[in-house]
Amino acid sequence: AQSVTQLDSQVPVFEEAPVELRCNYSSSVSVYLFWYVQYPNQGLQLLLKYLSGSTLVKGINGFEAEFNKSQTSFHLRKPSVHISDTAEYFCAVRAGGYQKVTFGTGTKLQVIP
Amino acid sequence: NAGVTQTPKFRVLKTGQSMTLLCAQDMNHEYMYWYRQDPGMGLRLIHYSVGEGTTAKGEVPDGYNVSRLKKQNFLLGLESAAPSQTSVYFCASSYSNRQGEPQHFGDGTRLSIL
Repeated sequence: AQSVTQLDSQVPVFEEAPVELRCNYSSSVSVYLFWYVQYPNQGLQLLLKYLSGSTLVKGINGFEAEFNKSQTSFHLRKPSVHISDTAEYFCAVRAGGYQKVTFGTGTKLQVIP
Repeated sequence: NAGVTQTPKFRVLKTGQSMTLLCAQDMNHEYMYWYRQDPGMGLRLIHYSVGEGTTAKGEVPDGYNVSRLKKQNFLLGLESAAPSQTSVYFCASSYSNRQGEPQHFGDGTRLSIL
C-alpha cells in the first residue's frame, strides 16, 4: 500500500520570500514521487518528479524538491515566490510495481503582495 | 495542441437524472483515468482504463460507470445522480504505465447535483 500526507492545507507567504511545502509518503517498496500544481479553474500540471538518482530535483518555474528516503519526505521549495505562484500544490506517489498514483490532499499556497 | 479535453465544463443536475461526461485526448495515450476532487480530500480515482476496450475500478467507483470504446475517448456516466456526487471531475491520460510516467490532466468538469 502507498499513501501520501500533506500536513499543511494552506501556506501564506509574502512575495519574494522563500517557501517550503511539505510532503511525506508511506510505502514498503521503492517509490516514484511527483509534485503537481493546479491554478484556479484548471487541471493539474506536472511541476517535477523524482525517479532515481540525485535526490535534489529541479522543476519548472524555479521550484525544486528534495527526496529524503530516511525521513520518507519529498518537500517542495522555492527561494523566492511570486504572485503568480498562488495555486494549489499536490504531492503524489506511485510505488514500484503499483499501477495507480496516490495524491495528497493538496496545499494552497497564497502569495501576499 | 489540445491535450486532454473535457466536455462539458459545467453542469447542474437534479437528483436522479443521468448524464455522461466526455474525455478526449489527442496524444495517443494508452492509459486514461477519471478522478473526483473534493475540498480537503485531494483527488480520488473513480475508474481507469489501460487500453481501448478495457476498464477497471479505482478507489470510489460506486454510482459511476465508464466506457472506452475508442482509444482517444473515455466516458464517465452517472446513472442516477445523487447530491454526494457534487464534485469537480478530472480526466487524465498517460502514455504508458512506467512508474515515472506523469499524467496529463484536463481542465475539469464542475458538476452540481441538486
